[in-house]
Amino acid sequence: DAGVTQSPTHLIKTRGQQVTLRCSPISGHKSVSWYQQVLGQGPQFIFQYYEKEERGRGNFPDRFSARQFPNYSSELNVNALLLGDSALYLCASSFTGYNEQFFGPGTRLTVL
Amino acid sequence: AQSVTQPDIHITVSEGASLELRCNYSYGATPYLFWYVQSPGQGLQLLLKYFSGDTLVQGIKGFEAEFKRSQSSFNLRKPSVHWSDAAEYFCAVGISSGSARQLTFGSGTQLTVLP
Repeated sequence: DAGVTQSPTHLIKTRGQQVTLRCSPISGHKSVSWYQQVLGQGPQFIFQYYEKEERGRGNFPDRFSARQFPNYSSELNVNALLLGDSALYLCASSFTGYNEQFFGPGTRLTVL
Repeated sequence: AQSVTQPDIHITVSEGASLELRCNYSYGATPYLFWYVQSPGQGLQLLLKYFSGDTLVQGIKGFEAEFKRSQSSFNLRKPSVHWSDAAEYFCAVGISSGSARQLTFGSGTQLTVLP
């Protein structure tokens, strides 16, 4: 079975631009969570979605938004990029969000 | 507020030696606890989890962890380390925030394995 997939693998943007990251969960999983991992730190929770509804949001500014589609895939959008947004963005899927979460390989975002 | 502390930033062991990675958590309710491993440039792989029941849990790749409520700890152990175990290890606690179940991670322990 395919695991969690994310696209693109790498992305380079300049300050002020907007970016969209994509995630496809494991088949049968209905919940997707997004995490930001800055170099040298553990991942930090951004959003959790279940059945297309936002369940929770971490301590991130409104420049960060997300959505989940009927096929349970998800997009993370970041507007007005800052240098500090440079990080590995990880997507995790689970059956309901209350089980263990399985992570994708991540999207490496570099903001210049 | 909930938090996870991994006191050792970097640990070096020789191949074949035993390993223990420390994790302490702060959370008011019964915690759901996890250990993940991350190889360079990769996502996180789940090694093991504790939800309830037996406090000694077995995971993949020969790892085990013991939940000690009195010490708020969930240390990861392996009796004999292999060179392929070199990676970064993250301890995490699953907390309920509203209707979400989010993971709060420690800052990680980098493991180097000497031949």
